[in-house]
Amino acid sequence: SYLLTQPPSVSVAPGQTAKITCGGNNIGSKSVHWYQQKPGQAPVLVVYDDSDRPSGISERISGFNSGNTATLTISRVEAGDEADYFCQVWDSSRYYVFGSGTKVAVL
Amino acid sequence: EVQLVESGGGSIQPGGSLRLSCAASGLTVRSNYMSWVRQAPGKGLEWVSIIYSGGTGGSTFYADSVKGRFTISRDNTKNTVDLQMNSLRAEDTAVYYCARDRHHQGSWYFDLWGRGTLVTVSS
Repeated sequence: SYLLTQPPSVSVAPGQTAKITCGGNNIGSKSVHWYQQKPGQAPVLVVYDDSDRPSGISERISGFNSGNTATLTISRVEAGDEADYFCQVWDSSRYYVFGSGTKVAVL
Repeated sequence: EVQLVESGGGSIQPGGSLRLSCAASGLTVRSNYMSWVRQAPGKGLEWVSIIYSGGTGGSTFYADSVKGRFTISRDNTKNTVDLQMNSLRAEDTAVYYCARDRHHQGSWYFDLWGRGTLVTVSS
């Protein structure tokens, strides 16, 4: 079955750039989607199809996918970006596959 | 406003049954693919089940962890998607989210989520 690997946590100072990786075997051949989840809230789609942003999502959030790694980048990080971030792909045998999530801490 | 609202969660003993419901507004569940996704306390997201739109036959699929115990269904008159959960186990304890699926050209994701309902399975 297909596995996605994310680092448990990423720490970043305000105003700096946070990069969250999502590793998977030849993940570049799949479409990767990203969700942001703040404490006590439901997940929110922030990037779909590797790099597209839904309406209302900050332009500071971007995505890229190639080879064995997909990356979510948050530029000019703000305190409000503190959250868990999950990557997700679709797999024909398991349907939706999620990464284990990365907690972004703003220092 | 387009939204999903889950209900039906609560505390139940192992082996018991519970029925969750997801009420949709601003969208028609019959015309959408709808899923249930759960999140155990402090853990990640796990897809549970999907029901296809009525136009594609309303097929249903389940994660291996719930297959044979959970049943997803749709009530078109009430515009709801339900999840009947039987033979509940401690490991089914989680917040259960209702979500709308989007898919095109092999790409599947969730673009709308409810706020979730907590299910606790404990003796």
